[in-house]
Amino acid sequence: NAGVTQTPKFQVLKTGQSMTLQCAQDMNHEYMSWYRQDPGMGLRLIHYSVGAGITDQGEVPNGYNVSRSTTEDFPLRLLSAAPSQTSVYFCATGWGGGNTIYFGEGSWLTVV
Amino acid sequence: GDSVTQMEGPVTLSEEAFLTINCTYTATGYPSLFWYVQYPGEGLQLLLKATKADDKGSNKGFEATYRKETTSFHLEKGSVQVSDSAVYFCALSRDTGNQFYFGTGTSLTVIP
Repeated sequence: NAGVTQTPKFQVLKTGQSMTLQCAQDMNHEYMSWYRQDPGMGLRLIHYSVGAGITDQGEVPNGYNVSRSTTEDFPLRLLSAAPSQTSVYFCATGWGGGNTIYFGEGSWLTVV
Repeated sequence: GDSVTQMEGPVTLSEEAFLTINCTYTATGYPSLFWYVQYPGEGLQLLLKATKADDKGSNKGFEATYRKETTSFHLEKGSVQVSDSAVYFCALSRDTGNQFYFGTGTSLTVIP
């Protein structure tokens, strides 16, 4: 049982490039979300989804785009990468409604 | 708005010492409270949770009690081991919403 799978694990981008971080889950969870983790700031919610076709913004959505075409997948797109987007990104999934969420192993992104 | 405040680290303890990591929260209504643990290079894992006042969550020797009167959810362990070295995050969620709110994390190092 794979759980929550994130790819790639490591990525280096140049300023202005675009890329997509992939998140896939095999637990049939309705809720999927993306967080970024920065030193001294904990985890901040970027975007989340409560089901296929439904997405919403979190605390820090600017510069990121998401879509949810299937229950299993929730990709995060960086439209034009900036050094401020250097971070560790985590996908987390769950049943929603305040229930436990389960994290992927993270994607380390460096923008130079 | 909802928020979580946890004690700043880093915390360094000797093996078999007693551990307390303080966590207080601000929220309307009756949130669920969580402790997550992050080992180096990995995603966050659920350590324990409590969903209503006076509930005690416990796992792997760790405990935390949901105290509504003091809006606290302090993490304790009677005798820490080197393998407990990690970053610990306090978090809350509400059943009427889909967002989690995380503290900034407390780094624990246990030395032999």
